[in-house]
Amino acid sequence: GENVEQHPSTLSVQEGDSAVIKCTYSDSASNYFPWYKQELGKRPQLIIDIRSNVGEKKDQRIAVTLNKTAKHFSLHITETQPEDSAVYFCAASGVDSNYQLIWGAGTKLIIKP
Amino acid sequence: DAGITQSPRHKVTETGTPVTLRCHQTENHRYMYWYRQDPGHGLRLIHYSYGVKDTDKGEVSDGYSVSRSKTEDFLLTLESATSSQTSVYFCATRQGQETQYFGPGTRLLVL
Repeated sequence: GENVEQHPSTLSVQEGDSAVIKCTYSDSASNYFPWYKQELGKRPQLIIDIRSNVGEKKDQRIAVTLNKTAKHFSLHITETQPEDSAVYFCAASGVDSNYQLIWGAGTKLIIKP
Repeated sequence: DAGITQSPRHKVTETGTPVTLRCHQTENHRYMYWYRQDPGHGLRLIHYSYGVKDTDKGEVSDGYSVSRSKTEDFLLTLESATSSQTSVYFCATRQGQETQYFGPGTRLLVL
């Protein structure tokens, strides 16, 4: 079945710098890749997603890139701000998993003032 | 937040007692999920439902059962709670091939 690996587990960046979180997946049939942000004590919330027919998607300071050949996708956050501090989860799904999300382990992003 | 509520939001119980958590959605989504979240383990799927009375096990289903008698409600039952089931429990829903939306979570402490 599908397996998703996420790195790094913790990422500390200076406010204003960029942050990149990477995920790899194993099932080439996966075609949907969402990213969730979970603030302390809150529920995971979708921040951006990408489907396999697209290589990149942007939404203001957040972007996701997908490399289907290498089977990895990345979250890019530019001009980081204190409110970006959270745990970020990647996930993958496709017909082989009946569109159930297979989750990465999460990355704790710390924004240093 | 896709109209998902969970009850109770917080619960303290004793080892050996039964506990039922409720997830209620107003979006008429077909799929519903129960996850648990523990430090160092991310989100782990307990059980899921793909329709009324249609449920299946996830990766950590031992000690848990579920029921779905109506589209809008998905119940998670701990038949005899243990301290290892202390966790934060999230319900989620999905429609078709779209993404999952999460409820606010239930914090369960088993003493």
